[in-house]
Amino acid sequence: EMVMTQSPTTLSVSPGERATLSCRASQSVSSDLAWYQQKPGQAPRLLIYGASTRDTGIPAKFSGSGSGTEFTLTISSLQSEDFAVYYCQQYNNWPPTFGQGTKVQIK
Amino acid sequence: QVQLHESGPGLVKPSETLSLTCTVSGGSISNSFWSWIRQPAGKGLEWIGRLYSSGNTNHNPSLKGRVTMSLDTSKNQFSLRLSSVTAADTAMYYCVRDKYSAWEIFDYWGQGTQVTVSS
Repeated sequence: EMVMTQSPTTLSVSPGERATLSCRASQSVSSDLAWYQQKPGQAPRLLIYGASTRDTGIPAKFSGSGSGTEFTLTISSLQSEDFAVYYCQQYNNWPPTFGQGTKVQIK
Repeated sequence: QVQLHESGPGLVKPSETLSLTCTVSGGSISNSFWSWIRQPAGKGLEWIGRLYSSGNTNHNPSLKGRVTMSLDTSKNQFSLRLSSVTAADTAMYYCVRDKYSAWEIFDYWGQGTQVTVSS
């Protein structure tokens, strides 16, 4: 089973600043990588797939990059609604697996 | 806009079978693929299995064959059964839509239903 490792576990960011989240795969997943946002008490929401393609309605402040084993989610100019837990997920190897999440909190 | 809604017992006894139903609105279940995902409290996400529009399924081998999934096209619903449950199966269970047939990318989620395994 493919292991996805996210770092850091918790990221403290001031409103208006940029957040950079990392996700590493235990072996190459090509560009078959998605990112999700989960707020307390809510289901996850798909942000990005194909490592860098934003899903419908996702603002441009969310951007993804990377391929192979190293991926990054960048959130520019954080607002209150962006503080949440973010998960990466690979779908290149079966079964699909998720990282353990990065919590983005207010500094 | 596709909407999904999970339903089922919130409490299941150890060794019994967990049964959940997902009702889909805003689209036909025959036109997409569907998955179940779970999340223990305060923890990460685990994919349980996928249900194809043909009715075929596959599931996470970590669940050791305890998973059964099925479609009911007449009701636009699909279901999950997880047998021989233990406390480790206590989690929030989500039904989700797969964005594409070729890949497990999850674009629509239900609000989730909490299932607790306890005597």
